[in-house]
Amino acid sequence: EVQLVQSGAEVKKPGESLKISCKASGYSFISYWIGWVRQMPGKGLEWMGIIYPDDSDTRYSPSFEGQLTISADKTISTAYLQWNSLKASDTAMYYCARQDGRGWPDFWGQGTLVTVSS
Amino acid sequence: DIVMTQSPDSLAVSLGERATINCKSSQSVLYTSNNKNYLAWYQQKRGQPPKLLIYWASTRESGVPDRFSGSGSGTDFTLTISSLRAEDVAVYYCLQYYNTPLWTFGQGTKVEIK
Repeated sequence: EVQLVQSGAEVKKPGESLKISCKASGYSFISYWIGWVRQMPGKGLEWMGIIYPDDSDTRYSPSFEGQLTISADKTISTAYLQWNSLKASDTAMYYCARQDGRGWPDFWGQGTLVTVSS
Repeated sequence: DIVMTQSPDSLAVSLGERATINCKSSQSVLYTSNNKNYLAWYQQKRGQPPKLLIYWASTRESGVPDRFSGSGSGTDFTLTISSLRAEDVAVYYCLQYYNTPLWTFGQGTKVEIK
């Protein structure tokens, strides 16, 4: 059974760093792209970027390029989303999702709620 | 970049009635080499991650009720719920994967009961 299990909710202050995780199981982690999606409170889904764990080929949405880092550790089947300096506007639910080999996201993590507040 | 625009932003439909959601892409998502439209539909209920309903614009995912159907080609697509049930209250999103592995979502359409 394919599963993506994300790390728990976080409460941070502006300027702090953060790394959230998405642990995959039930399939060959290195063979599928893993994407990250942001959902701000009461808003829609925004594609942030995606990584191919086998070779760490990473693509970013222009809206998020330079604001965060996507990475993966194939030895533990885990993808990451990292910020060096959080802003209040980073407050959102973040989802990871596996890309089906044919192109669309098929399996989703349960989401990680990140709250940034002074 | 391909921009996906849904309409309406929200709609209220009586139980048992038809709900229709439109999605327009800023450029064609039809690959002529395989005649497939790189368009999917998702349902997101409150407090849950999105759930895949339809891919290739009109192919229902396994387990999705047949009251959900997708149609359209090129730049104009429609998701239809033929007979709305209470459990269909959700926000629905279209997504293009023509530029795979890059995705673009529509802004979402909220479906409520009238």
